[in-house]
Amino acid sequence: SQQGEEDPQALSIQEGENATMNCSYKTSINNLQWYRQNSGRGLVHLILIRSNEREKHSGRLRVTLDTSKKSSSLLITASRAADTASYFCATDAGGNNRLAFGKGNQVVVIP
Amino acid sequence: GAVVSQHPSWVICKSGTSVKIECRSLDFQATTMFWYRQFPKQSLMLMATSNEGSKATYEQGVEKDKFLINHASLTLSTLTVTSAHPEDSSFYICSAPKSPDSSYEQYFGPGTRLTVT
Repeated sequence: SQQGEEDPQALSIQEGENATMNCSYKTSINNLQWYRQNSGRGLVHLILIRSNEREKHSGRLRVTLDTSKKSSSLLITASRAADTASYFCATDAGGNNRLAFGKGNQVVVIP
Repeated sequence: GAVVSQHPSWVICKSGTSVKIECRSLDFQATTMFWYRQFPKQSLMLMATSNEGSKATYEQGVEKDKFLINHASLTLSTLTVTSAHPEDSSFYICSAPKSPDSSYEQYFGPGTRLTVT
């Protein structure tokens, strides 16, 4: 199945700063999701954006989607130490509820 | 909210033995569940779709005879790694769709760390 692909990033930022990470994919999608994974744990759903949406907000999260460029970005504003995690985008490119995950971005927020 | 659990959370086994991992949806029914494996510092790779009442659907390159999947009920799917070898050591994660029409949003289990010695 097709994989969403983030630009490989390992971000290290100070608490209070914003963190931005990107994701690109190859085929047409109906929606794109972002998940967070704390070290050695399962994934937590953060936000879903549909193909007819360009931007979506949820608390300190802002997601954009550019279907013409087949890319998405996740912005975390006013980062906190608790935001330290890996972040993955996932698309529905697999069909039948199957998710295709990108490579992930590791974010470290320094208190 | 909905919760998906996995058991065990970690397991160490000897090469050649089989290991069973359980995935349960605790407060909702899941006719479909998914199994992933994740190597250190890598992304999740979908292994198979577990279907209640029918055979699992495996992704290309995944050996169905090695990774046996049984969806025994609407709340339980099991993954059995047969004749495990060190290269099977990985983090195994299951998920279940939030709802049949969930637009792909899924709940994930906490994962099972398998180490084969």
